[in-house]
Amino acid sequence: GQSLEQPSEVTAVEGAIVQINCTYQTSGFYGLSWYQQHDGGAPTFLSYNGLDGLEETGRFSSFLSRSDSYGYLLLQELQMKDSASYFCAVRDILTGGGNKLTFGTGTQLKVEL
Amino acid sequence: EPEVTQTPSHQVTQMGQEVILRCVPISNHLYFYWYRQILGQKVEFLVSFYNNEISEKSEIFDDQFSVERPDGSNFTLKIRSTKLEDSAMYFCASSPRASVPIGYTFGSGTRLTVV
Repeated sequence: GQSLEQPSEVTAVEGAIVQINCTYQTSGFYGLSWYQQHDGGAPTFLSYNGLDGLEETGRFSSFLSRSDSYGYLLLQELQMKDSASYFCAVRDILTGGGNKLTFGTGTQLKVEL
Repeated sequence: EPEVTQTPSHQVTQMGQEVILRCVPISNHLYFYWYRQILGQKVEFLVSFYNNEISEKSEIFDDQFSVERPDGSNFTLKIRSTKLEDSAMYFCASSPRASVPIGYTFGSGTRLTVV
């Protein structure tokens, strides 16, 4: 089976930097993704790490250490609109075709003034 | 930007009734998925679909569930006899080739309420 653990809630102030951690235990692993979800809306793709190291996309960066089964999402210059739930997701490639994403428990980020 | 569309946005049904949730994936995508999210919980995989057949399904996807791609554009999820615990947000998603490690595109979801 697969399990991914994240902190349930993180609070930070506008302009700050916040890190959301994700640890995983999986039977198959082809990369770690991060998704943002506002108020039960559609999850939207933020970032993907297939190999160890840091990936940067604007204010968001994501890191992966496969040996530690660990990754994190780093959000810089926080804005109020960043208040949302953030999910890590492990990608597995299906023998029948396609990718399967298994999502973590989610972290509710609250950005305060 | 291409998007995945889902209808209806909200469906209320009585326990034991059949429901069909509809999705139009992105036109050049090849892989289609259904996920669900019970209020306040994580997003859970239900089923993946490729080349007109199911490629994987989860334990949640029992005999009460079925998927279909009746034409070249629609992708449907049917629940034959709804239960109270089927109340959730159901998300459809699509992705291009499996070898492309980019994210899915999710639809806005259908909120199913079973009463």
